[in-house]
Amino acid sequence: NAGVTQTPKFQVLKTGQSMTLQCAQDMNHEYMSWYRQDPGMGLRLIHYSVGAGITDQGEVPNGYNVSRSTTEDFPLRLLSAAPSQTSVYFCASKRGSGGADTQYFGPGTRLTVL
Amino acid sequence: AQSVAQPEDQVNVAEGNPLTVKCTYSVSGNPYLFWYVQYPNRGLQFLLKYITGDNLVKGSYGFEAEFNKSQTSFHLKKPSALVSDSALYFCAVRPWMDSSYKLIFGSGTRLLVRP
Repeated sequence: NAGVTQTPKFQVLKTGQSMTLQCAQDMNHEYMSWYRQDPGMGLRLIHYSVGAGITDQGEVPNGYNVSRSTTEDFPLRLLSAAPSQTSVYFCASKRGSGGADTQYFGPGTRLTVL
Repeated sequence: AQSVAQPEDQVNVAEGNPLTVKCTYSVSGNPYLFWYVQYPNRGLQFLLKYITGDNLVKGSYGFEAEFNKSQTSFHLKKPSALVSDSALYFCAVRPWMDSSYKLIFGSGTRLLVRP
């Protein structure tokens, strides 16, 4: 049971480039989400999904797209990278619609946009 | 506005001494409260959570947290600190009726346990 996995671990982009951050979980969790972590600010929700085919915006969705074609995978796409998107990105998942369910986080992707 | 405050950027404690990492929150309704720990270059690991019931919650690695509704606090505690407890600790709250299930995180507190 690998839990939540993310690739790549590190990435450097130039302004305007696009890329996809991969996230997968093998726990059959319905809910998945993406957060970004910036120094001194904790984590902020970018997008989330309550099940395959269903996605919605979080607090800071601008510049990011998501899709959820399978239960296991939840990729995050940067359409045109900007220096303000330099951050550490975490994917998380939880079992279902229970509000008290614990969210489990992946190891993160450190992204630098030059 | 809903928020979580961790008033100390860093907490320093000697090994073997008790430790406390403070957290206060501001949300409407009854919150779900969580503590996570982050080791260098690692993801967040779940420590414990408060849902309802007993105000003292026990979690992983000997940590516990006390929920105080009147003070809207959820302080993390451990009776005897270890050097290996040195890490970044995040308090988080999930507002009860938020359909996004988002966690609102504090800014984090770095715990440094000296030998």
